[in-house]
Amino acid sequence: NAGVTQTPKFRILKIGQSMTLQCTQDMNHNYMYWYRQDPGMGLKLIYYSVGAGITDKGEVPNGYNVSRSTTEDFPLRLELAAPSQTSVYFCASSYSHRVPSTDTQYFGPGTRLTVL
Amino acid sequence: TQLLEQSPQFLSIQEGENLTVYCNSSSVFSSLQWYRQEPGEGPVLLVTVVTGGEVKKLKRLTFQFGDARKDSSLHITAAQPGDTGLYLCAGVARETSGSRLTFGEGTQLTVNP
Repeated sequence: NAGVTQTPKFRILKIGQSMTLQCTQDMNHNYMYWYRQDPGMGLKLIYYSVGAGITDKGEVPNGYNVSRSTTEDFPLRLELAAPSQTSVYFCASSYSHRVPSTDTQYFGPGTRLTVL
Repeated sequence: TQLLEQSPQFLSIQEGENLTVYCNSSSVFSSLQWYRQEPGEGPVLLVTVVTGGEVKKLKRLTFQFGDARKDSSLHITAAQPGDTGLYLCAGVARETSGSRLTFGEGTQLTVNP
């Protein structure tokens, strides 16, 4: 199993450009998440999905969009990049058990995005 | 939004010393997890605690969940340079559906040889 894979690893955008961060998992997990991590900080939830066709906002959704057409893929879209979106983006997935609070989230290696 | 506060934010110690990292909140959590993150990588789960007062040990690491399920601590005995990393606590709020985690800001630990 490759686990959770993310592409690209690094990207530099100009203000106003758009891009899609790709995330794929091969563990047949139903839950997937997007987080951002600013320097020296914890992770903040952007969007999450509990299954194909279902997405919901997290703490910091403004400026981002997501879709979940398959179980495996959960792309994150930035439409009009702004300097405030400079961050490291992590995708994660988990398999929801009957007791959700014990789920293990598996994280990808991250995408480091700089907006200039 | 539930807030998880970690302390200290930075910790630099010598190999062989003991240390404790704290994670506190005013909210009750169904469970609390501790992750370790190394530079350039995503966080990796170390442990999940779900019962108030629960203590779990992972080799030289001891994790405790507070009786009221509002706080947790991570104690490392005889720290080694390989323990260096960012330690993150994350909680699932009692009223939250699914597995939405709220993360603390992290404790950056450096263990010097």
